Amino acid sequence: EIVLTQSPGTVSLSPGERATLSCRASQSISSSYLAWYQQKPGQAPRLLIYGASSRATGIPDRFSDSGSGTDFTLTISRLEPEDFAVYYCQQYGSSPITFGQGTRLEIK
Amino acid sequence: QVQLVQSGAEVKKPGASVKLSCKASGYTFTSYYMHWVRQAPGQGLEWMGMINPSGGSTSSAQKFQGRVTMTRDTSTSTVYMELSSLGSEDTAVYYCARGDYDLPFDYWGQGTLVSVSS
Repeated sequence: EIVLTQSPGTVSLSPGERATLSCRASQSISSSYLAWYQQKPGQAPRLLIYGASSRATGIPDRFSDSGSGTDFTLTISRLEPEDFAVYYCQQYGSSPITFGQGTRLEIK
Repeated sequence: QVQLVQSGAEVKKPGASVKLSCKASGYTFTSYYMHWVRQAPGQGLEWMGMINPSGGSTSSAQKFQGRVTMTRDTSTSTVYMELSSLGSEDTAVYYCARGDYDLPFDYWGQGTLVSVSS
């Protein structure tokens, strides 16, 4: 099983700042099978980015990702108030599909 | 538009089983896998398994093997997930989510809260 470890657990930033969220895999995975989700309280997760920088429908271009092998990063270039949420990485290339434990992005 | 509509909240006693449904619309039901993901209160996301609605084949996480059954009804575009031998640790929101081979989960149901308590 591929274990995904996200860091930091919580990050406090202000609107307008840049957010950098990390996801580290226990073994190498293809960036083609790494996705990022956003989840707000009381809502289902929403797909943001997948398959080597493909943004899901309606996702603004302030969201981007990078990385390869075992280290991946989600970057939000300029935080908007609606971006404060929990973010999960997921690998879907190997069974079982696994998620990171999440990074909470909170308003400073 | 793609929609996944899940059944309502359930309250169960330890040892019981629960069967949840997820009705799909807005796309060809048999063209995408359906996954089940759960989230315990205040916790992260946990993949439980998936079903291929086309042929009915399933795959589940080892943790749930022997306890989870996933089925589908192509006439109503509905998938079902039954979890048996419930314990308090199964209290969670259960989501269905559409995916496919080589694709992540692009649409999610609204979630179903299952509470297990004596």
